[in-house]
Amino acid sequence: GAGVSQSPRYKVAKRGQDVALRCDPISGHVSLFWYQQALGQGPEFLTYFQNEAQLDKSGLPSDRFFAERPEGSVSTLKIQRTQQEDSAVYLCASSPTGSYGYTFGSGTRLTVV
Amino acid sequence: ELKVEQNPLFLSMQEEKNYTIYCNYSTTSDRLYWYRQDPGKSLESLFVLLSNGAVKQEGRLMASLDTKARLSTLHITAAVHDLSATYFCAVDWDAGKSTFGDGTTLTVKP
Repeated sequence: GAGVSQSPRYKVAKRGQDVALRCDPISGHVSLFWYQQALGQGPEFLTYFQNEAQLDKSGLPSDRFFAERPEGSVSTLKIQRTQQEDSAVYLCASSPTGSYGYTFGSGTRLTVV
Repeated sequence: ELKVEQNPLFLSMQEEKNYTIYCNYSTTSDRLYWYRQDPGKSLESLFVLLSNGAVKQEGRLMASLDTKARLSTLHITAAVHDLSATYFCAVDWDAGKSTFGDGTTLTVKP
């Protein structure tokens, strides 16, 4: 596609509910990143894929967070048993091999009530 | 742990005047980015700076990098309303993962 597509744009979840956030990167982009952006702050790294391999998940805040990219294209970030502190914008970015800089998607704004 | 600090965090600018945003980072890196974010929107890449002394310019914005001082600056020349947004610097620290500053929110007033 022309850009990085994320869905849904907005998600309201009741505390304790599971959610799944989708990222469709630019076709052919090998690298895919997830970031979490709290209100009024800069994005924070969550996890990184190269093709289908999850090379780094050190930024995932707890074991309730899980990400996958089974076929090396679309990625899903899943949050189990959501808590209020999970409320944030979740940004996905992709990059081709050997390139500098990333293209970010529009993000999913998650609100846990 | 890489830390990235931006200042100021808020900047109220008058049209046609010049301003500078500073980005300091704590450990060696070979890649620094500047992004723009409008309210409710995603991050738009402005500049990628790859080496000491690198300078890039686009319109009224100019970014520079001093890797020895671990400092990047974003200079705004003759501010206009269209530049109102939040600007982030980000530094790569490992295999392309970035640490972001907290952002500088610019407001241009007539």
